[in-house]
Amino acid sequence: AQRVTQPEKLLSVFKGAPVELKCNYSYSGSPELFWYVQYSRQRLQLLLRHISRESIKGFTADLNKGETSFHLKKPFAQEEDSAMYYCALKSGTYKYIFGTGTRLKVLA
Amino acid sequence: SQTIHQWPATLVQPVGSPLSLECTVEGTSNPNLYWYRQAAGRGLQLLFYSVGIGQISSEVPQNLSASRPQDRQFILSSKKLLLSDSGFYLCAWWGRVSGNTIYFGEGSWLTVV
Repeated sequence: AQRVTQPEKLLSVFKGAPVELKCNYSYSGSPELFWYVQYSRQRLQLLLRHISRESIKGFTADLNKGETSFHLKKPFAQEEDSAMYYCALKSGTYKYIFGTGTRLKVLA
Repeated sequence: SQTIHQWPATLVQPVGSPLSLECTVEGTSNPNLYWYRQAAGRGLQLLFYSVGIGQISSEVPQNLSASRPQDRQFILSSKKLLLSDSGFYLCAWWGRVSGNTIYFGEGSWLTVV
């Protein structure tokens, strides 16, 4: 069955510390993975997608097929990174499956 | 450019009352449309998706239904709300111009009392 797992509900780090938000997936085909972010009082929006191999707002994520992971990383956290982060998997042609989300709190 | 609107933004309804949440997309044609529910501790749960007018796929058995009467309109309904229907409902769309990504509306807060 297709599944996205985000093991941490809450992650607190200090400003300037590295951040890693974990995401593991279960999918029999070739996965397409995304990270979405929801800042306070804003709509859920795309942060990055693995196919683009891009860095957005200092965040990167590498697809590791051997470990079935797509962890989101940033070397130096900023207070404005505080938000809810969702990992998502495109399953088949139409479906997008999301994890339970991780709330990131960056402390001053 | 494409935009997505959903309303109402906030709704408080008594148990047993009906529900209608509406979502419309502008600036694209024949989009795929989605309804998700965001509940505390459960993340984003896909409820329904639609690839065309009148075509609805249901992901989880529940007290809700969806309809797509027009190409860019997607409606989430219930005949009788339950307390467990409370949550944050998100509409989303995908289209040929969206770059293999889905985009979300601002959401609707439903509280069933």
